[in-house]
Amino acid sequence: QSVLTQPPSASGTPGQRVTISCSGSSSNIGSNTVNWYQQLPGTAPKLLIYSNNQRPSGVPDRFSGSKSGTSASLAISGLQSEDEADYYCAAWDDSLNGRMVFGGGTKLTVL
Amino acid sequence: QVQLQESGPGLVKPSETLSLTCTVSGYSISSGYYWGWIRQPPGKGLEWIGSIYHSGSTYYNPSLKSRVTISVDTSKNQFSLKLSSVTAADTAVYYCARDTGGIDYWGQGTLVTVSS
Repeated sequence: QSVLTQPPSASGTPGQRVTISCSGSSSNIGSNTVNWYQQLPGTAPKLLIYSNNQRPSGVPDRFSGSKSGTSASLAISGLQSEDEADYYCAAWDDSLNGRMVFGGGTKLTVL
Repeated sequence: QVQLQESGPGLVKPSETLSLTCTVSGYSISSGYYWGWIRQPPGKGLEWIGSIYHSGSTYYNPSLKSRVTISVDTSKNQFSLKLSSVTAADTAVYYCARDTGGIDYWGQGTLVTVSS
């Protein structure tokens, strides 16, 4: 069972806006920043969002992140077929002398 | 361009020690940042194993801490993972990565199977 909670699946049609939630606690999301990763089938994860809402160079502005309290969200607007992937949230957790924790992942299907 | 490449045996026997090395190119480990290992069992999610700072300070996943050692060799621009007393539950794709506050560079991953 993952420390951060994500819905196992999400879906949308091309052009739609989809959001993926990530729920944590005061020891992780509540006190540290959140990163989001995209993992296409058979490939290594790719950093999508860092520090809650910052996009690395090269990531389209269709992807955006937000955080409020002990929860975070990833929004994808103008959904495209190539967005079909697994998405993971991650944060540092201050408990147990500190550790990085991930969400269980959300499989996004583009219908 | 920063690149990371994992190397090591793809098959390890139960109770033995898993050993992997990550070779970094395009960036000097001694320049900074954290360098870590993440694994992903087949069909499952990501699990952080631990990280090492360029100076040698280490942070380990508490659930694996008793079995994990991460070390760095700045002269070779490499860092390594040792996981002892492995079982089938340790079968996974192992990724090495650079952590700058987000994991911005990942190796391609290497599948390690624990089986006799």
